[in-house]
Amino acid sequence: GQNIDQPTEMTATEGAIVQINCTYQTSGFNGLFWYQQHAGEAPTFLSYNVLDGLEEKGRFSSFLSRSKGYSYLLLKELQMKDSASYLCAVRDEANQAGTALIFGKGTTLSVSS
Amino acid sequence: GAGVSQSPSNKVTEKGKDVELRCDPISGHTALYWYRQRLGQGLEFLIYFQGNSAPDKSGLPSDRFSAERTGESVSTLTIQRTQQEDSAVYLCASSLGPGSAGELFFGEGSRLTVL
Repeated sequence: GQNIDQPTEMTATEGAIVQINCTYQTSGFNGLFWYQQHAGEAPTFLSYNVLDGLEEKGRFSSFLSRSKGYSYLLLKELQMKDSASYLCAVRDEANQAGTALIFGKGTTLSVSS
Repeated sequence: GAGVSQSPSNKVTEKGKDVELRCDPISGHTALYWYRQRLGQGLEFLIYFQGNSAPDKSGLPSDRFSAERTGESVSTLTIQRTQQEDSAVYLCASSLGPGSAGELFFGEGSRLTVL
């Protein structure tokens, strides 16, 4: 089966650093994605990890450990506009038809001043 | 087109009616996905099309749900005999498919309200 877990809600203050964790159990694995979704809007791509280690992109970084089935998204120098839902998604290659992306339920981050 | 286009953006219908939702993917994207997102919830996978392969229908919640795709272009998601529990935002996404990183590009969604 497939299971992707992430915290439901997190809060932080402007300028701080926050780490959003994601653990997954899937039949196969061919990449992990993080998406950002502001309320009432479509998700937008943040990062992609397929090999172990840290991928850095500006204020955002994403880490992957395939042996532990674990990833995190690190947000630095938080801004009010970072208040959004952060979605962890795994591409499960076990599916014979292709590479459907399976999403976790998302973590709602609230940034306060 | 420049992005994934979905229509209608909003649909209000009565319980028991059929609805059809449309998705125009980004030109050249061979993979197309439909997801459902209920209020305050995550994305629930419904169906996935990849080129001319048989679609992955494993996420469709019941036989009232079906989807078609014409070649590598437009897709329609049909919900028959709608129920109040079908109320949600239906998101379509496309990607370049296997061989690429597979980043999904989402449309703005179709918000369905079943009264």
